[in-house]
Amino acid sequence: KQEVTQIPAALSVPEGENLVLNCSFTDSAIYNLQWFRQDPGKGLTSLLLIQSSQREQTSGRLNASLDKSSGRSTLYIAASQPGDSATYLCAVRSIQGAQKLVFGQGTRLTINP
Amino acid sequence: NAGVTQTPKFRILKIGQSMTLQCAQDMNHNYMYWYRQDPGMGLKLIYYSVGAGITDKGEVPNGYNVSRSTTEDFPLRLELAAPSQTSVYFCASRLGDLGNTEAFFGQGTRLTVV
Repeated sequence: KQEVTQIPAALSVPEGENLVLNCSFTDSAIYNLQWFRQDPGKGLTSLLLIQSSQREQTSGRLNASLDKSSGRSTLYIAASQPGDSATYLCAVRSIQGAQKLVFGQGTRLTINP
Repeated sequence: NAGVTQTPKFRILKIGQSMTLQCAQDMNHNYMYWYRQDPGMGLKLIYYSVGAGITDKGEVPNGYNVSRSTTEDFPLRLELAAPSQTSVYFCASRLGDLGNTEAFFGQGTRLTVV
């Protein structure tokens, strides 16, 4: 059974810093991994989707990497801004049970002005 | 471009009442999902559907029912509401297994059972 873990549960950094959020998964047989952003009381917004054959994906100040063999993904945020404050969730679609996304518990990020 | 639309946004139910959470998508996606999110937790899958007429249970299906009569709609039915069903419910959709399989989520329904 696929399990997804995100550490830390919460992170607070000053504005302007570069930061890394971590996501680990137990079963490396995956189709893809997706990073989401969730603002308080809101739905999930897709940030990046990495296919199993890819090593990284970039969108603006965001860069997500995938190391399938070690069961790890990182989301790198460059030059953080207060508007980046949100909860970041990663989700994995495994080859076994391929219809489903399995989510981590999220990292609550606060960027201090 | 509506994407995934959920109604209602908020609802308070009394124990034992029933209700239907509505979900509609206009992207012609085959796959649709219902998740629940409890405070400080990740999302847990309730039910999913791979196409009209086909549904299957997720991790936490007890107390819920679904139907998928059309590609666009995937309602979630709560019978005999219990306090344990207090949660935020998210509907999601995905095109399928070929190409870009990005999942899109609705804005959620916040349900309180008292």
